Amino acid sequence: KAGVTQTPRYLIKTRGQQVTLSCSPISGHRSVSWYQQTPGQGLQFLFEYFSETQRNKGNFPGRFSGRQFSNSRSEMNVSTLELGDSALYLCASSHKRTSEYQETQYFGPGTRLLVL
Amino acid sequence: AQKVTQAQTEISVVEKEDVTLDCVYETRDTTYYLFWYKQPPSGELVFLIRRNSFDEQNEISGRYSWNFQKSTSSFNFTITASQVVDSAVYFCALILLTGANSKLTFGKGITLSVRP
Repeated sequence: KAGVTQTPRYLIKTRGQQVTLSCSPISGHRSVSWYQQTPGQGLQFLFEYFSETQRNKGNFPGRFSGRQFSNSRSEMNVSTLELGDSALYLCASSHKRTSEYQETQYFGPGTRLLVL
Repeated sequence: AQKVTQAQTEISVVEKEDVTLDCVYETRDTTYYLFWYKQPPSGELVFLIRRNSFDEQNEISGRYSWNFQKSTSSFNFTITASQVVDSAVYFCALILLTGANSKLTFGKGITLSVRP
């Protein structure tokens, strides 16, 4: 089975721009979660989508949004980029049968975003 | 709220030495999963092991072993006869087993350097 894939792998943007990151989960996985990793804050949960619905959201401003499609692929959007948004954005998928029971999250290679 | 503490930040060993990575967690819930992930320089988080809070059996997989002790809220990871390829950042993480909260709570990570 192919693993979680993320595109693009690297991205350079300037302040004020917006960006869209894409994540394709492992085949059959219906849950996709997004995490931000920075040297200062470590790994922080952004949000989770299950069956096209956002189930959980971390403590991030509204500039961070996402969606999930019927094929479970997910996109994350950050509007009005700030320097502090420079980070590694990791996507994870899991084979949850329902939204209430957790399973192992498998991570993709991440998208490195640099905001200048 | 959940918390995971990895008190060691950096460990450096010479190849073939044994090394133990410590993890202490906090949660008021009785049902949860504990994980260890490895992050090589490429950035992808690689899943190593998952432990259910009901199962305190220790586990060995090749050179890797894990010691789970609920009495001390610890889930330590030992690498026997370390190799250069073990050099990476290692994260311990916790997630509640049930409920709507699918957020993985990570420790800050331990950077392991194995010198030839």
